[in-house]
Amino acid sequence: QKEVEQDPGPLSVPEGAIVSLNCTYSNSAFQYFMWYRQYSRKGPELLMYTYSSGNKEDGRFTAQVDKSSKYISLFIRDSQPSDSATYLCAMRNDYKLSFGAGTTVTVRA
Amino acid sequence: DADVTQTPRNRITKTGKRIMLECSQTKGHDRMYWYRQDPGLGLRLIYYSFDVKDINKGEISDGYSVSRQAQAKFSLSLESAIPNQTALYFCATSDLGTGQYFGAGTRLSVL
Repeated sequence: QKEVEQDPGPLSVPEGAIVSLNCTYSNSAFQYFMWYRQYSRKGPELLMYTYSSGNKEDGRFTAQVDKSSKYISLFIRDSQPSDSATYLCAMRNDYKLSFGAGTTVTVRA
Repeated sequence: DADVTQTPRNRITKTGKRIMLECSQTKGHDRMYWYRQDPGLGLRLIYYSFDVKDINKGEISDGYSVSRQAQAKFSLSLESAIPNQTALYFCATSDLGTGQYFGAGTRLSVL
């Protein structure tokens, strides 16, 4: 079993819809939780970085962490075609970053 | 200019050849990492370094070596390339308490 599970999708939504992404994990030692966005032929770009359980909001993006359920989510409100990308969750304890396989999202104009 | 620069961006090589991928950063971070990305497998850690004198193996270090020439430079070598090392390679940097910041990647094909 992988340490981090992420549904690869693909996920296709119309412009303006809410995109909901999630990951589950098995290692209770993970302390830091991140979401990255990766456009085709580019490196992953850090979107959200959270430490504790709860919600963190940044513009149209909201990250949720539920440590008791070992579950994290990313919500994108008012999605735009420019949000079309692969989204990777990542988790860290000390130095080691463990990634999900990524979910490919397409926002249709 | 990019904070994390990888060279080359693309490389095609033959089985058995030695190849070096280079990474430099201007973020001033102490920690640097090399990952490979394969479809369906996500990002996997090859090597990491917390400072110039510190080198550590990641989960898939076999067939690879690294050199940390300076705080800002971290290179990855494939001593004798094989086809299953065909992948997208990323360098990343971080500091204590931050997320990791990635370069644009090197697409490597081993024929």
